[in-house]
Amino acid sequence: DAGVTQSPTHLIKTRGQHVTLRCSPISGHKSVSWYQQVLGQGPQFIFQYYEKEERGRGNFPDRFSARQFPNYSSELNVNALLLGDSALYLCASSQTSGAHVYWNEQFFGPGTRLTVL
Amino acid sequence: AQSVTQLGSHVSVSEGALVLLRCNYSSSVPPYLFWYVQYPNQGLQLLLKYTTGATLVKGINGFEAEFKKSETSFHLTKPSAHMSDAAEYFCAVSTTTGKGAQKLVFGQGTRLTINP
Repeated sequence: DAGVTQSPTHLIKTRGQHVTLRCSPISGHKSVSWYQQVLGQGPQFIFQYYEKEERGRGNFPDRFSARQFPNYSSELNVNALLLGDSALYLCASSQTSGAHVYWNEQFFGPGTRLTVL
Repeated sequence: AQSVTQLGSHVSVSEGALVLLRCNYSSSVPPYLFWYVQYPNQGLQLLLKYTTGATLVKGINGFEAEFKKSETSFHLTKPSAHMSDAAEYFCAVSTTTGKGAQKLVFGQGTRLTINP
């Protein structure tokens, strides 16, 4: 079975532009989470979506938004890009939202590397 | 709020030597702890996780970790390092998003280098 897939693999944008990143979860997984990994740091939680509803949001500005589609795939959108948005964006899927099941395993995709010039 | 501290951003060991990667956590509730590995230009792969029960957890590739509540630690070990173990390792604690869903809080990572 295919794992979590993300597109594109790499992306170069300039400041002020908008970007859309895409994620397809493992078949049968209904939850998608997004993480930002700045070079030299651990991943930081951005969003979680489950059954097309936002179930959690990290400490990120409103320039960051996301949505989940009926087939459980997801998009992460970032508006008005800043140099500091340069990072590896990771998508993770799991079978459930992990609600009250905090040992739920999240499966990560290879990430999209975004460079903002 | 839950948090994770990984002691040592870089660890270097010789091939065949013991690997010890340190992780300390802060949690107001019983923690659920994870170790992930990240190879260059790849996503994160789960090595092992602690939920409840046995405090010594065995994972993939010969790694294991011991949960010590009194020390708030979850250190990762491997008896004999292999060249293929060279990667970035992340310790994480599971917590709630506030809407009842799960999110992971990661440490800053430890880069493991294996010397031939």
